[in-house]
Amino acid sequence: QKEVEQDPGPLSVPEGAIVSLNCTYSNSAFQYFMWYRQYSRKGPELLMYTYSSGNKEDGRFTAQVDKSSKYISLFIRDSQPSDSATYLCAMSDERGSTLGRLYFGRGTQLTVWP
Amino acid sequence: DTGVSQNPRHKITKRGQNVTFRCDPISEHNRLYWYRQTLGQGPEFLTYFQNEAQLEKSRLLSDRFSAERPKGSFSTLEIQRTEQGDSAMYLCASSFAGTRIHTQYFGPGTRLTVL
Repeated sequence: QKEVEQDPGPLSVPEGAIVSLNCTYSNSAFQYFMWYRQYSRKGPELLMYTYSSGNKEDGRFTAQVDKSSKYISLFIRDSQPSDSATYLCAMSDERGSTLGRLYFGRGTQLTVWP
Repeated sequence: DTGVSQNPRHKITKRGQNVTFRCDPISEHNRLYWYRQTLGQGPEFLTYFQNEAQLEKSRLLSDRFSAERPKGSFSTLEIQRTEQGDSAMYLCASSFAGTRIHTQYFGPGTRLTVL
């Protein structure tokens, strides 16, 4: 079993829909949680990060972390065709005051059609 | 542009050849990471540096792989005697290890094809 599980999709929604993307993980030491967006043949671009449990909102994007269930989510409101990309969840454990490697899910491919 | 840069962007090589990739991190970042990403998968950690010190290496980093960051600025990743299984996107990321949140910023990647 991989440490981070993510449904690869593909997910196809109409413009304006609310999109829900999710990841589960097995390592209870993970404290930092991130969502990256990756366009085809490009490097991942950081969207949001959260520390420990809770919600964080940034414009049309909301990230949620439920550490008790080892479950994180990203919601996209009023989705746009420009949101079409692969969304990667990533997480890291805390080693003292530093962060090392990121553990990624395999990514969910999202298409928003006009 | 002050982001992470990687060169070359694409590399095609024959099996058995050696290849070297370069990464230039964001200038004030003291941490540099290498990841590998294959089609349909998320990036997998290979190694990282804080300044010039290589602090961690994944077991994915076989003896054919070597990474350096001699002056704590740019880094190189060399693959010797390439195999077809080395075909992947090689991603570099950097961060600043001086604040609580060490957000990693990625470069555009180097796509390697081994024939």
